[in-house]
This record gives sequence, structure tokens and C-alpha cells, in this order.
Amino acid sequence: GENVEQHPSTLSVQEGDSAVIKCTYSDSASNYFPWYKQELGKRPQLIIDIRSNVGEKKDQRIAVTLNKTAKHFSLHITETQPEDSAVYFCAASIGGYQKVTFGIGTKLQVIP
Amino acid sequence: DAGITQSPRHKVTETGTPVTLRCHQTENHRYMYWYRQDPGHGLRLIHYSYGVKDTDKGEVSDGYSVSRSKTEDFLLTLESATSSQTSVYFCAIGGEQGAPYGYTFGSGTRLTVV
Repeated sequence: GENVEQHPSTLSVQEGDSAVIKCTYSDSASNYFPWYKQELGKRPQLIIDIRSNVGEKKDQRIAVTLNKTAKHFSLHITETQPEDSAVYFCAASIGGYQKVTFGIGTKLQVIP
Repeated sequence: DAGITQSPRHKVTETGTPVTLRCHQTENHRYMYWYRQDPGHGLRLIHYSYGVKDTDKGEVSDGYSVSRSKTEDFLLTLESATSSQTSVYFCAIGGEQGAPYGYTFGSGTRLTVV
């Protein structure tokens, strides 16, 4: 099955700085890569996703990049704000949008 | 919120007892999933369903069974609860072929096995 590795496990940044979270996947057949944000005590929520036929996608202050050759993808958050503090999960799925495999999560702390 | 609810929200049970968690959706989604969340492991798939009475195992299915007799309900049963099954359990819907592609999660069930 698919294996998704995520790093770092924790990340602290000053408010206004950028944050980058990196993930690698094992199965070259993976073709869908969502990112979820989970605030403390809440459910995970989809914040952005990318499909394998796209190299980069942006949505306001967040962007995802995908390198299929290297089998890695990244989440970039610019101009971080305290409300960006949360756990972020990367994920990947093979052959469709079901049975998503998650990384272990990155706890992001934005220091005011 | 988002047409998916889980019950109960919290449960404490004794080792060796059976436990059933319920997930109910009003979105008429074909696919439903049960994940468990544990520190250092992220979210791991237990079982999923791709239609009424159609289910399959995920990566951590041992000790769990599921049933889906109606489109809207997906039940997770711990056949004989063990302390290693203490976790937060999330139900999710989504993964359809049309956008949006991502999951919508329920609010979670915090299960403690003592």
C-alpha cells in the first residue's frame, strides 16, 4: 500500500514568516494529494488539494507543489498568522479519491 | 455541520466489552470511512464502504468490524475492546469522482478503554 512520510513533526515560526511542510509518497501510481488542517479539539478540514496532472496550486496564502519525479509534495503558507496554528496533514491516494493515506501530521505554531 | 454526525462523542468502556460507534450522513455519499487518530500515527484507515453492504478493510482493521445497511449509516464495532483501541475515531465521507474531491469528517468519538 501507499506510505506517506511527513516532516517536520513540529514547526515554530514568527508571525508574518513563511512555513513549509514537506511530504514524500512511495507509490508512483498516487494521483491525488490533499492537505488537511486540524485545529485543537476539532475535526480535520480540507484546505487545498492537487491532482497529479498539476504541478502547483495556490489559494490566497497557501500553495501546494508537486514533484512527481521525486515523489514529493509540499505545503507553503505565506504571511503566517496566529490562526494558522494547527496540525497539518498531508495525504495521498492511488487511482482515485478514495482510501486516502495520511502522513503523521505537522504541528505548526505561529508565534505572535 | 456538513451533514455528517457521529455518536457518541465520548465513551468509556471496559476491556473485553463490545462497542459500536455510529456515523450518520445526510449527503447521500457513496463512500464512507472510519479512521483512528493517535499521536505519532496521524490518521489511519480502519474500514471503508463503497455502497450499501459493500465494505473493505483498511490498514488497521484487526479487532474491528463494520456494517452499512443504509446509505446514510456506517457502524464501527469493536468486537472485544482492548486498551490499544483507546483512540479518537473519525468518520468521513467523500472521495467521489466529481469535485469536491476531499473528505468531510465528523466531529469524532473519543473512546477510552479501561
